[in-house]
Amino acid sequence: EVQLVESGGGLVKPGGSLRLSCAASGLTVSNYNMNWVRQAPGKGLEWVASISSSSSYTYFADLVKGRFTISRDNAKNSLYLQMNSLRAEDTAVYYCAASITATGLFDYWGQGALVTVSS
Amino acid sequence: EIVLTQSPATLSLSPGERATLSCRASQSVSSYLAWYQRKPGQAPRLLIYDASNRATGIPARFSGSGSGTDFTLTISSLEPEDSAAYYCQQRFNWPPLTFGGGTKVEIK
Repeated sequence: EVQLVESGGGLVKPGGSLRLSCAASGLTVSNYNMNWVRQAPGKGLEWVASISSSSSYTYFADLVKGRFTISRDNAKNSLYLQMNSLRAEDTAVYYCAASITATGLFDYWGQGALVTVSS
Repeated sequence: EIVLTQSPATLSLSPGERATLSCRASQSVSSYLAWYQRKPGQAPRLLIYDASNRATGIPARFSGSGSGTDFTLTISSLEPEDSAAYYCQQRFNWPPLTFGGGTKVEIK
């Protein structure tokens, strides 16, 4: 059974940093494109970032480009999202998602990690 | 950026009724359109990929159709557990990967 478990969420001040982790079991993250998707309170789903299976390519939504980085640790079978220069509008539940069937598809999702950016 | 517009915003139906949800793309996405279900407190779940393929474990009452710019998710006979928000998403031209604004299905 595939499980993705996010951690590292919390309350941070505007301008601060936070690092989200996603621990995977039942799949090997190095074999697949991995992604982060977020949902702000009362809003819809929004794609944030993706990393290719080879880690050669990373992609970001314009709103987070230059502030967020995505990476993985194959030895730990984990995915990460480093978030810098956080803004109030980054407040959301952040989901880790795996693309198994095809690139750009979100086959499996974690339960999410809440990030609140507030002074 | 491809914009996806979902309608209606809310659908209120009784158990056993048929639900028809629409997703329109601002330009063609071929068949690279997926549907997700999102229940409060739960992770989103992939229902349909590439317009009409059911994901693993998805009941047969969920079906998808369409190509190009117009897509439909149909729930043939609503069950109480189908109360959720439903989102379409395209992967034809990215980045960015984009989602529609969602349709909330309420069961009377």
